Amino acid sequence: EPEVTQTPSHQVTQMGQEVILRCVPISNHLYFYWYRQILGQKVEFLVSFYNNEISEKSEIFDDQFSVERPDGSNFTLKIRSTKLEDSAMYFCASSRQGTGNSPLHFGNGTRLTVT
Amino acid sequence: DAKTTQPPSMDCAEGRAANLPCNHSTISGNEYVYWYRQIHSQGPQYIIHGLKNNETNEMASLIITEDRKSSTLILPHATLRDTAVYYCIVRVGVGGGSNYKLTFGKGTLLTVNP
Repeated sequence: EPEVTQTPSHQVTQMGQEVILRCVPISNHLYFYWYRQILGQKVEFLVSFYNNEISEKSEIFDDQFSVERPDGSNFTLKIRSTKLEDSAMYFCASSRQGTGNSPLHFGNGTRLTVT
Repeated sequence: DAKTTQPPSMDCAEGRAANLPCNHSTISGNEYVYWYRQIHSQGPQYIIHGLKNNETNEMASLIITEDRKSSTLILPHATLRDTAVYYCIVRVGVGGGSNYKLTFGKGTLLTVNP
């Protein structure tokens, strides 16, 4: 069964450094998402992306965050200057369509630790 | 999106059916009911979704009341591997003008006991 894959599974970085989290969505999916989950807290929406544009973003997704689809298969989340509070699990998701009848399928996440 | 209410935790014996309730009394006619689960800190796993009718797939059944104000997720024969946090989410179907993101609550921690 097709699945969303994320790399790396665990990323450790120092405060102030840039990190790029990578995702390969399901191949025939057109809509892409990033979510995050701070330890012990809810899964939070960050951003959605379609047709090479951000469709929606949350208040969390400030200027230090950016997303990109650099080629036909990858979808990346960049954090320009990491902060301690960016430590979290980051989940990528994709859906075939952008309607409410098209489920999101999630990857197993990247654990980001900022020291 | 309409708000959902779920019990914080439930227990179930292995091999028995697990029935997880969800209240969504403010749901609109164009909103779907979705169920996801999260095992440990893995990514949320899609289980099932429905609009009005009951739905069944290889993982579970979804029973939606006629007035659509509540629903029940049924795992017919729970196993230890079904221990997870289960999320009931209401999601706009059409006409929302957005990318129909999912909004997660705290969910129900289902513990399947031997």
